[in-house]
Amino acid sequence: AQTVTQSQPEMSVQEAETVTLSCTYDTSESNYYLFWYKQPPSRQMILVIRQEAYKQQNATENRFSVNFQKAAKSFSLKISDSQLGDTAMYFCAFMKPSLLQGGSEKLVFGKGTKLTVNP
Amino acid sequence: DAGITQSPRHKVTETGTPVTLRCHQTENHRYMYWYRQDPGHGLRLIHYSYGVKDTDKGEVSDGYSVSRSKTEDFLLTLESATSSQTSVYFCAISRVGDSPLHFGNGTRLTVT
Repeated sequence: AQTVTQSQPEMSVQEAETVTLSCTYDTSESNYYLFWYKQPPSRQMILVIRQEAYKQQNATENRFSVNFQKAAKSFSLKISDSQLGDTAMYFCAFMKPSLLQGGSEKLVFGKGTKLTVNP
Repeated sequence: DAGITQSPRHKVTETGTPVTLRCHQTENHRYMYWYRQDPGHGLRLIHYSYGVKDTDKGEVSDGYSVSRSKTEDFLLTLESATSSQTSVYFCAISRVGDSPLHFGNGTRLTVT
């Protein structure tokens, strides 16, 4: 079974600075998907970024980027120019592709990192 | 939002009573999921559905059942609620099996 580990339960950063959240995972699969979700105090789960394992290029979405190290099974999230609205729980998640056309595989989550952005 | 509505938003119930949570989507997505979120555990999959009347168990399915009689509705039932089922419950949908999941706003359930 796949596992996802987020080793930093809590982190804090000053507004406008850069912060990196860590995520490692364990799998024997060669192809899979990785995600970062953000959960602000409103409780809503928001997809931040997605990475396909077969792509060597790291995904980027505005101020959010990932450092995907496939051999090390590491998938860290970098937030640049941190803003107060980035304060949230961040969850790393893993999904392996379905073996069946039209099938579904399940999303496995880490336990989350609580990020606080300070003014 | 991806057109997902969970009801109720909050519920308090007593131990031993049955409880049903509803997830309604307007996206016509095939896949629907129920997760629970607990401190220190992240989100864990309870049940999921890959079509009308097609469901399967997730990681923490004991004490829960689901039904999907229409594409747009996915019901989660706690057959006899226990205090260990106090949690925040999230419904999620995806268009195809490998797509990112989009989540509802969650239901906070308290079992006293």
